[in-house]
Amino acid sequence: KAGVTQTPRYLIKTRGQQVTLSCSPISGHRSVSWYQQTPGQGLQFLFEYFSETQRNKGNFPGRFSGRQFSNSRSEMNVSTLELGDSALYLCASSDMGARETQYFGPGTRLLVL
Amino acid sequence: AQSVTQPDIHITVSEGASLELRCNYSYGATPYLFWYVQSPGQGLQLLLKYFSGDTLVQGIKGFEAEFKRSQSSFNLRKPSVHWSDAAEYFCAVGAYQAGTALIFGKGTTLSVSS
Repeated sequence: KAGVTQTPRYLIKTRGQQVTLSCSPISGHRSVSWYQQTPGQGLQFLFEYFSETQRNKGNFPGRFSGRQFSNSRSEMNVSTLELGDSALYLCASSDMGARETQYFGPGTRLLVL
Repeated sequence: AQSVTQPDIHITVSEGASLELRCNYSYGATPYLFWYVQSPGQGLQLLLKYFSGDTLVQGIKGFEAEFKRSQSSFNLRKPSVHWSDAAEYFCAVGAYQAGTALIFGKGTTLSVSS
């Protein structure tokens, strides 16, 4: 099976812009979770989507949003970018969620100038 | 507060020597515990996981970890380190109630010397 894919792999934006990142889970997986990784804060959970519904949400401002499509592909959107949003954004997929292994993609590295 | 602590930011081990990476957690619910590894420019790869049962769990690449509830620890071990093990290692904790939301430690960078 193909692994989790994320596009684009690298992105440069300027403050105030918005950005959309995409994640394609492993075939058959219905849960997609998003994480932000920064040197200062480490890995932090953003949100999880399961069968097109947000099932769980971390402690991030409303500028961070996401959605999931019927084929389980997921997108996350960050509006009004700030310098502090520069990070590696990782998505992870699993079949059902909690007790299942989460498989991570390679990430999208976002640089906000 | 729920947290994961990896006390060692950076560890250097000689090739062939044994390795132990420490992880302590604070979590209100019965925890699920994980160790992930991240190589530069890569995503996270699961090494092993503990949900319940035998407290000594075996993982990939010759790694093992032991869950000690009394010490709130889940240390990762490997008897003989290979140069290819150089990477960053993350301990994470979750729970059924939290769904897929994992809390990660800040990571331990492992360097392997020849």
